[in-house]
Amino acid sequence: EVQLMESGGDLAQPGGSLRLSCVASGFSFDTFVMSWVRQAPGKGLEWVSTIGATGENTYYAKSAKGRFTVSRDDSKNTLFLEMNSLRAGDTAVYYCAKTVSTVNDPFDIWGQGTMVTVSS
Amino acid sequence: DVQMTQSPSTLSASVGDRVTITCRASESISGWLAWYQQKPGKAPKLLIYEASSLQSGVPSRFSGSGFGTEFTLTITSLQPDDFATYFCQQSNTFPPTFGGGTKVEIK
Repeated sequence: EVQLMESGGDLAQPGGSLRLSCVASGFSFDTFVMSWVRQAPGKGLEWVSTIGATGENTYYAKSAKGRFTVSRDDSKNTLFLEMNSLRAGDTAVYYCAKTVSTVNDPFDIWGQGTMVTVSS
Repeated sequence: DVQMTQSPSTLSASVGDRVTITCRASESISGWLAWYQQKPGKAPKLLIYEASSLQSGVPSRFSGSGFGTEFTLTITSLQPDDFATYFCQQSNTFPPTFGGGTKVEIK
């Protein structure tokens, strides 16, 4: 079964850091572009970051650039999102998602999400 | 960034109704539009890609159309399982952007 499973969400202080993980199974993880998409409570979906299949190319939303770092460990079928300098506006459910094929494709597989709360 | 605007934001309908949701892009995105369904507490599910292509496993009562800046998602006969929130997403221009969502609720 094709599956993505996120973890690492937690309560963090403003200015703090968190590292999210997403373990993939049921497909050839190392051949696909992967992304993070977030959803603030009661709000819509916001793309956060994308990493190419080789890991060489990374892309970030303006809100994430300079604070978040996306990476992957293909030996462990795992996607990461390192989040620093967290703000209240980063409070959201963070989903990892597999793209159909290329960087510009839609997201065909989603994880169940992990909740990040930034509050003092 | 390409702005995506959905309407209506909420739609009240009954089982068996034909339902249409509209998504407008702030500039032409050709046919690079996807539709997702999301139920409370769950991840989004891809329904339609490239404006009108049905994702594998999605019931045929769902259909999409449009090109350029205006797109529609149609559910021909609403079923109890279809009460959810629907989002459009453009994949023509990076970064990918989503519409604000349309909640389909029971009338």
